[in-house]
Amino acid sequence: QVQLRESGPGLQKPSETLSLTCTVSGGSISNYYWTWIRQSPGKGLEWIGNIYYTGSADYNPSLKSRVSISVDTSKNQFSLKLTSVTAADTAVYYCARESWFLRFRYFDYWGQGTLVTVSS
Amino acid sequence: EIVLTQSPATLSLSPGERATLSCRASQSVGSYLAWYQQKPGQAPRLLIYDASNRLTGVPARFSGSGSGTDFTLTISNLEPEDFAVYYCQQRTDWPPITFGQGTRLEI
Repeated sequence: QVQLRESGPGLQKPSETLSLTCTVSGGSISNYYWTWIRQSPGKGLEWIGNIYYTGSADYNPSLKSRVSISVDTSKNQFSLKLTSVTAADTAVYYCARESWFLRFRYFDYWGQGTLVTVSS
Repeated sequence: EIVLTQSPATLSLSPGERATLSCRASQSVGSYLAWYQQKPGQAPRLLIYDASNRLTGVPARFSGSGSGTDFTLTISNLEPEDFAVYYCQQRTDWPPITFGQGTRLEI
């Protein structure tokens, strides 16, 4: 059974860089796309970006100038960096796997989420 | 960016009743829409993909329909564990992948 687990600081100061890592267990990171999604308190889901195991990444245009996603296949991990954070970046951050379902990919495995609070 | 609008925001029903949740897209997404269920403190769970295909293990009381811009998730004979928040999601036109704002199904 594939499992994902997010890790990283739960508290960030404004203007800092948020760094989170997702560790994949029970399966290989190879041959899949991996994604980051966040959910602000009491709000809906926002797709941040994704990465293929080869390192090719796509980002939400609304965050593209501040986001970077990388992958380390040797550790079965992928990571998120979000620069210049503000209180608006306070959210639960989820990592998820994308799998092919016929023609498109959907998110079939998720981490439990990690709350990141941005506050001075 | 394709905007997904879900209605109603909150749906109050009782166990045994039938729930009908709507998701409307700002432009056609073909049949490429998914539905997720999220319970408090948990990550979303994929229920339906390509508008009407149930993921393996999802009870048959969950069904999806629609194409183009109008989609429906129907839950027949509600069980207590079905009360949760439901999100629709598209990736026909991306980036970005977008989600609806959710429908809260409450007892």
